Amino acid sequence: AQSVTQLDSHVSVSEGTPVLLRCNYSSSYSPSLFWYVQHPNKGLQLLLKYTSAATLVKGINGFEAEFKKSETSFHLTKPSAHMSDAAEYFCVVRPVGDTGRRALTFGSGTRLQVQP
Amino acid sequence: NAGVTQTPKFQVLKTGQSMTLQCAQDMNHNSMYWYRQDPGMGLRLIYYSASEGTTDKGEVPNGYNVSRLNKREFSLRLESAAPSQTSVYFCASSEEGPTPQHFGDGTRLSIL
Repeated sequence: AQSVTQLDSHVSVSEGTPVLLRCNYSSSYSPSLFWYVQHPNKGLQLLLKYTSAATLVKGINGFEAEFKKSETSFHLTKPSAHMSDAAEYFCVVRPVGDTGRRALTFGSGTRLQVQP
Repeated sequence: NAGVTQTPKFQVLKTGQSMTLQCAQDMNHNSMYWYRQDPGMGLRLIYYSASEGTTDKGEVPNGYNVSRLNKREFSLRLESAAPSQTSVYFCASSEEGPTPQHFGDGTRLSIL
C-alpha cells in the first residue's frame, strides 16, 4: 500500500521569500515521487519527478525537491517566491516495481498564497 | 500547440441522463488518462489507455466507460449520471505510461 501526506493544506509567503511545501510518503516498493502544480481553473502541470537517480531533483520555474529515504520525505522548495507561483501543489507517489498498478496516489494538496 | 483539449468545459445534467466527455491531444502521445478531482481528495484515476485500442480500469471506474477512438482521442461516457459523479474531470496524456505529463483544463460536471 502507498500513501502520501501533505503536511500543510495552506502556506502563505511574501514575494521574494523562500517556499517550503512539505510531503511525507509511505510505499511498499521503492517509489517514484512527483510534484504537480495546478493554477486556478487549469489542469495539473508536472513540476518535477524523482525516479531513483539523484536525490536532489530540479524542476521547472526554479523549484526543486530532495528525496530523503530515512525521513520518507520529498519536500518542495524554491529560494524566492514569485506572485505567479500562487497555486495548488500536489505531491504524488507511484511505487516502482509494482507494474500491475496504474494509479498514482495524490496528496490532498497545498495551496500556496504569495503576498506582495 | 493546443496540447490536451477537453470539451465541454461545463455541463449540468439531471440524474439518469447520459453524456460523453471528449478529449483530444496533438502531441502524438501513446498514453491517455481520465481523472476526477473532488475537493480535498487530489485526483483519482478512472480509466487509462496505454495505446490505441487498449484501456484499463483505474481506481474508480464504476459508472463510467471509455473509448480510445484513435491515438489522438480518448472519450469518457457516463451512461446514467448520478449525483456522486459531480466532479471536475481531467484528461491527461504522456508519451508512455503510467505518469501523466500534460493535462487538459478540465470539465466541470454537475449532476442534479
